[in-house]
Amino acid sequence: SQTIHQWPATLVQPVGSPLSLECTVEGTSNPNLYWYRQAAGRGLQLLFYSVGIGQISSEVPQNLSASRPQDRQFILSSKKLLLSDSGFYLCAWSGGARGTRYGYTFGSGTRLTVV
Amino acid sequence: AQTVTQSQPEMSVQEAETVTLSCTYDTSESDYYLFWYKQPPSRQMILVIRQEAYKQQNATENRFSVNFQKAAKSFSLKISDSQLGDAAMYFCASVSRLTFGEGTQLTVNP
Repeated sequence: SQTIHQWPATLVQPVGSPLSLECTVEGTSNPNLYWYRQAAGRGLQLLFYSVGIGQISSEVPQNLSASRPQDRQFILSSKKLLLSDSGFYLCAWSGGARGTRYGYTFGSGTRLTVV
Repeated sequence: AQTVTQSQPEMSVQEAETVTLSCTYDTSESDYYLFWYKQPPSRQMILVIRQEAYKQQNATENRFSVNFQKAAKSFSLKISDSQLGDAAMYFCASVSRLTFGEGTQLTVNP
């Protein structure tokens, strides 16, 4: 069966420090991968999505970047964190092509606090 | 662009009763899918139910069912026999690239 792993679960980082959040998927190949951010008590905002290795699309211009160095690995990064980067970050995957008809499967999320 | 609107930021229901959460959407696609996700306090996103737009029949999953009105672009979620474990934030979502509503916080009172 397919599983998605996301880490770390919680992170406290000072302003100006770098960031790296990692997400991996097991049990499938060529998944579509997504990074979402959720502000407290709010809906989910799509940040990046990827349909293949090295293919990254950005939905919102910001202080963050994403990379997909391997088929089932998706990384969210920042060179210098801002206070406004605080939030709950969720990684998700779906089957490629028409696999999105079945919805997305989400990781357990990372709670990031920038201090 | 797709938009999803949930007009009820908060709802409450008595245990064992029925509650309906509202959702409207806008899309230019002819073939699409709609979803309801549940996010309990653990913040894990859990798929509750999905609806294929080309199907007239409303989807049902145990105590959860939807009322899909394609012409009105409405997609409401009905929870029957509400249980304490149903308390969560509920999100309506539409593909592609899963556009989410702002959520409805459901409280279940014992």
